Amino acid sequence: QSALTQPASVSGSPGQSITISCTGTSSDVGSYNLVSWYQQHPGKAPKLMIYEGSKRPSGVSNRFSGSKSGNTASLTISGLQAEDEADYYCCSYAGSSTFDVVFGGGTKLTVL
Amino acid sequence: EVQLVESGGGLVQPGGSLRLSCAASGFTVSSNYMSWVRQAPGKGLEWVSVIYSGGSTYYADSVKGRFTISRDNSKNTLYLQMNSLRAEDTAVYYCARDRLVVVAATPVHDAFDIWGQGTMVTVSS
Repeated sequence: QSALTQPASVSGSPGQSITISCTGTSSDVGSYNLVSWYQQHPGKAPKLMIYEGSKRPSGVSNRFSGSKSGNTASLTISGLQAEDEADYYCCSYAGSSTFDVVFGGGTKLTVL
Repeated sequence: EVQLVESGGGLVQPGGSLRLSCAASGFTVSSNYMSWVRQAPGKGLEWVSVIYSGGSTYYADSVKGRFTISRDNSKNTLYLQMNSLRAEDTAVYYCARDRLVVVAATPVHDAFDIWGQGTMVTVSS
């Protein structure tokens, strides 16, 4: 499986909204609504922010939302805050007879 | 509190071996799908291996035949035995719990909902 495609970097000012895209294929993102998104601050473990494409775990701010169109999933962060500055990774189930999970290459979010 | 704590990382020579441990608390390892995910320095995340609650195991092609995932139910601990280590195995290794969802009557991976803090493995002479 090839990695999902994410932009290397995005940026926004406090209070603005940004969207990070995650493009896969009809074999992974396009076939299943099983995209998850992770936030990772430097030197820290990843943290689950979105699962099943658009659901938020308990405790995750409602400023984070997820969506999907065709083979592309998206993570939107509204009302940007300084603490949102981090790396973000998408991940999708890729469906096969064996365990098959593929990550995106990651996107560095800079809050200006 | 639900948490995972990894240990066992360190510096090892190419061709050497290392065993990583991941102690769980707040939930039962054997009742869940559990994975290892790694991150090379400055790089992205890469899934390495999974063990199902029923005991089936799967591996990324990059580690197949060299790494072995296992668990000790009495200790509620997950392991990763790494043999024939290469420089490209240098990474932070995370253990993670797989959140599952049922698709066509089959449990499949949904997300990694709990992560450990990671343990660094450096393969170098």
